[in-house]
Amino acid sequence: AQSVTQLGSHVSVSEGALVLLRCNYSSSVPPYLFWYVQYPNQGLQLLLKYTSAATLVKGINGFEAEFKKSETSFHLTKPSAHMRDAAEYFCAVRAKMYSGGGADGLTFGKGTHLIIQP
Amino acid sequence: DTEVTQTPKHLVMGMTNKKSLKCEQHMGHRAMYWYKQKAKKPPELMFVYSYEKLSINESVPSRFSPECPNSSLLNLHLHALQPEDSALYLCASSRMLANTGELFFGEGSRLTVL
Repeated sequence: AQSVTQLGSHVSVSEGALVLLRCNYSSSVPPYLFWYVQYPNQGLQLLLKYTSAATLVKGINGFEAEFKKSETSFHLTKPSAHMRDAAEYFCAVRAKMYSGGGADGLTFGKGTHLIIQP
Repeated sequence: DTEVTQTPKHLVMGMTNKKSLKCEQHMGHRAMYWYKQKAKKPPELMFVYSYEKLSINESVPSRFSPECPNSSLLNLHLHALQPEDSALYLCASSRMLANTGELFFGEGSRLTVL
């Protein structure tokens, strides 16, 4: 079964510093990978997605991620953190879901809480 | 602004009540989803409707009942819930022609069961 693992439940960086959020995937077939952000009491917003067109994916709000097959990773980065980046970040993989229709859905990692220090 | 609209935003209900959560999208998507999210946890998939055909997470108790009246609407009927069912319920939709498509999420319905 396809799954993702996020390393680090909490990451703290200083404002202006590099942000690095880690995600490793487990998949026997080429995965379709996503990063979402969730602000308090809100839904999930897509940051970027990997669909095999390019290994370096640029997203919204200055974030990008690089797909590395040799490392089974899809880490999220941002060169310079801003206070507004403080949120919960989820890595996700598209996978076949449950009984019945066998439709695709997203399976999420446990999430990483990003803290920005002033 | 999200293009997936969920109502109500907040719901408080007793364990003997019957209530429903509603979700609507007008993006022409043919797949709609219900996710449950507990505090400080990732969303967990409950149900998927793909071209109005249902896929079920078999761990979801029968006190949750989904309904898809048409491709734009999704309901989640709630009956005899337990306090541990208190959570944020997220609706999402996606295109089905490409399995690379992302899910678009609503803002969620915050449910409290007393």
